[in-house]
Amino acid sequence: DAGVIQSPRHEVTEMGQEVTLRCKPISGHDYLFWYRQTMMRGLELLIYFNNNVPIDDSGMPEDRFSAKMPNASFSTLKIQPSEPRDSAVYFCASSPVGSFTDTQYFGPGTRLTVL
Amino acid sequence: DAKTTQPTSMDCAEGRAANLPCNHSTISGNEYVYWYRQIHSQGPQYIIHGLKNNETNEMASLIITEDRKSSTLILPHATLRDTAVYYCIVRNTDKLIFGTGTRLQVFP
Repeated sequence: DAGVIQSPRHEVTEMGQEVTLRCKPISGHDYLFWYRQTMMRGLELLIYFNNNVPIDDSGMPEDRFSAKMPNASFSTLKIQPSEPRDSAVYFCASSPVGSFTDTQYFGPGTRLTVL
Repeated sequence: DAKTTQPTSMDCAEGRAANLPCNHSTISGNEYVYWYRQIHSQGPQYIIHGLKNNETNEMASLIITEDRKSSTLILPHATLRDTAVYYCIVRNTDKLIFGTGTRLQVFP
């Protein structure tokens, strides 16, 4: 299996622009998680889905952030409008079942820089 | 989820065992202990998890004290590629809540 796939790997944009990050989970995994990592705040869970349905979005920082999962093999995280403080590495992870005995598999991340 | 306490950083000589401690004194009965690591610029990687008993896999061993208030991750023969940040997480939900971890530096 190719593992979790994220695109783009690097994104540089200007403040005010819309940014869309993409994730393809491991086939057959029912759960998908979006995380953000910064030096100041470490790794934070933003939102997660079960069977394409958002379960917990309490980590989404502001209304500028939105996430969708239109089908089992694709998810997007959108920031509109972007701000310099959104600069971070964004990770997507998936797991087969999602219970607390289950392993999450992480993608390589997207490094976002907002100028 | 219970909080964990880990040393900020540790060093280990290549070929020696690396023993990474974690304190989770407020852990509750149904919380598992998970270990992940993050090699520079990569996504976190699962290492091992356990509830009460000691666990071993191809990567590491996990030793959990009888009262479950602390645990130790053991990398039996550390290599330079084991240099990473190691996260100890206690978990009883779908979520993983990452702390600051231990930065392990393996030196030649």
